[in-house]
Amino acid sequence: NAGVTQTPKFRVLKTGQSMTLLCAQDMNHEYMYWYRQDPGMGLRLIHYSVGEGTTAKGEVPDGYNVSRLKKQNFLLGLESAAPSQTSVYFCASSYGRGGPTGELFFGEGSRLTVL
Amino acid sequence: QQQVKQSPQSLIVQKGGISIINCAYENTAFDYFPWYQQFPGKGPALLIAIRPDVSEKKEGRFTISFNKSAKQFSLHIMDSQPGDSATYFCAGGGNQFYFGTGTSLTVIP
Repeated sequence: NAGVTQTPKFRVLKTGQSMTLLCAQDMNHEYMYWYRQDPGMGLRLIHYSVGEGTTAKGEVPDGYNVSRLKKQNFLLGLESAAPSQTSVYFCASSYGRGGPTGELFFGEGSRLTVL
Repeated sequence: QQQVKQSPQSLIVQKGGISIINCAYENTAFDYFPWYQQFPGKGPALLIAIRPDVSEKKEGRFTISFNKSAKQFSLHIMDSQPGDSATYFCAGGGNQFYFGTGTSLTVIP
């Protein structure tokens, strides 16, 4: 039982390049989230999904796109990377409202550097 | 506007002492208030959580105190240990969760 798996764990991009971060969960969770973590800023919600085929904007969605084509996967895309997107990205999943707990289960993070 | 405000930013406590971290929230629709613990290089992990219909929840050395009228909640770590040294985040939400900016706790042996 792997929980929440993020790939890649590290990536260096040049300004303007594109990339996709993949999150996979094996707990059959309905809800999935993408956060970014920056020093002194805590965790800020980028986008989230309350079920397969659905997505919604969080606090800081600009410059990012997401897709949830399969229940177990949540993809975060950067179409044209900027240095301001240098951060550690965390994916999380949960049962969602009505589930046994509201707990978020986090992956181990993906460190992205944009030069 | 920050949905959840957390203080202090950093905290140094002697072994055996009490660590206290405070949070305040704005949105009265929030119905779940978790605390997460994060060690360097790892993702956050749930420590303890509370729902707004309860004023206090205790799990071992960790206690959440919740004041619904003041829209405030706090984490108390009793008998703090060096192994508790980590970053702690409070959060609030329902469908989506908003996190505080984190508190770096150092417990000195």
